[in-house]
Amino acid sequence: DSGVTQTPKHLITATGQRVTLRCSPRSGDLSVYWYQQSLDQGLQFLIQYYNGEERAKGNILERFSAQQFPDLHSELNLSSLELGDSALYFCASNRQMNTGELFFGEGSRLTVL
Amino acid sequence: EDKVVQSPLSLVVHEGDTVTLNCSYEVTNFRSLLWYKQEKKAPTFLFMLTSSGIEKKSGRLSSILDKKELSSILNITATQTGDSAIYLCASEYSGAGSYQLTFGKGTKLSVIP
Repeated sequence: DSGVTQTPKHLITATGQRVTLRCSPRSGDLSVYWYQQSLDQGLQFLIQYYNGEERAKGNILERFSAQQFPDLHSELNLSSLELGDSALYFCASNRQMNTGELFFGEGSRLTVL
Repeated sequence: EDKVVQSPLSLVVHEGDTVTLNCSYEVTNFRSLLWYKQEKKAPTFLFMLTSSGIEKKSGRLSSILDKKELSSILNITATQTGDSAIYLCASEYSGAGSYQLTFGKGTKLSVIP
């Protein structure tokens, strides 16, 4: 158990809908990272927050947004969902501002029908 | 475009065999090379390599970074069925004031009794 908690574990929804994925980092970690893992693309970095501020942005679509709250938990919002958004979404955390060793949650599996 | 390529994509060995997994990277502003093991869901950290030629070891696993060749290898000796997993290589690089990880697509290792 990495100490990173993600909910929900599984989510099935329809195209055009909006979902929110939630992540609680390890105790004491200030950085939260979101990754998308699909079969053909591997792990793709989406976005990083450090202590409530956006720190780095990767291949995140405009339909996706995220935020980190004062209690350091983070949410990833996915809207106008498409079939291709079906993937495993991972949250990871660490104490640093810069990457290094990451502690991953178990992921949220999103299926868009 | 920054990229990380792992080979082979999949590998089947018998218990007791020794395996070598390869990772090559092409990134600007390289900082470090990381290896993760992904069994069922969450990737777990194995090694972080920043200096060329220095071997990092943990039990039967070891890894070396070759900065000249822009590559790294992960060795597993006396493989066990519990080593069956996807092994992910990631290159950490700096850009726009932050550090990010670019992951390879992984090598799926299957160890059969």
